[in-house]
Amino acid sequence: AQSVTQLGSHVSVSEGALVLLRCNYSSSVPPYLFWYVQYPNQGLQLLLKYTSAATLVKGINGFEAEFKKSETSFHLTKPSAHMSDAAEYFCAVTARFAEYGNKLVFGAGTILRVKS
Amino acid sequence: DTGVSQDPRHKITKRGQNVTFRCDPISEHNRLYWYRQTLGQGPEFLTYFQNEAQLEKSRLLSDRFSAERPKGSFSTLEIQRTEQGDSAMYLCASSLGISTTTDTQYFGPGTRLTVL
Repeated sequence: AQSVTQLGSHVSVSEGALVLLRCNYSSSVPPYLFWYVQYPNQGLQLLLKYTSAATLVKGINGFEAEFKKSETSFHLTKPSAHMSDAAEYFCAVTARFAEYGNKLVFGAGTILRVKS
Repeated sequence: DTGVSQDPRHKITKRGQNVTFRCDPISEHNRLYWYRQTLGQGPEFLTYFQNEAQLEKSRLLSDRFSAERPKGSFSTLEIQRTEQGDSAMYLCASSLGISTTTDTQYFGPGTRLTVL
């Protein structure tokens, strides 16, 4: 069984400030982890993914995330927020091996607001 | 690579009517997934196909829901006798699906269903 908890349904930062979106996961099998971003009335766009190659993962638009197995966390960060980063962000977990199933299990999402 | 496309983008229907949504995956992607996203929540898995075979269905997929992928290319999701609780965004995703490890899912823009 797998689950994701995203701490904070809303996060507000000033433009230029650090962005930190928290994600904790639970998985009974080796996991892959993903962050997706969703703009209003649009589908999900992949930001970055952890697939066991490196624990620090860099994604698009300056985002990165670190996989910490001991803490079961996969927090998303960006050093300097831009207005265009305002969106909803979803953390998701799935099993590493397809034999355990391919479905993504998502957290409830965090809405990021960027203040000018 | 034109991305995952979904049609229609919006659908408004009256309770009790049947609706059908279409998803065209990325060319040569063997796996196709359907998710449902209600307001304020993360997407929830409904079902997935490996080529034309439907390999997994969620308990969320009641017997009013049916999905097909007859030739292993596009897929349709039909909801019979719609209820107000079916109002949601229906997301389709596809992945390459040639590896024993889980691969990245790419999402379409979604179909927003409103049941009056």
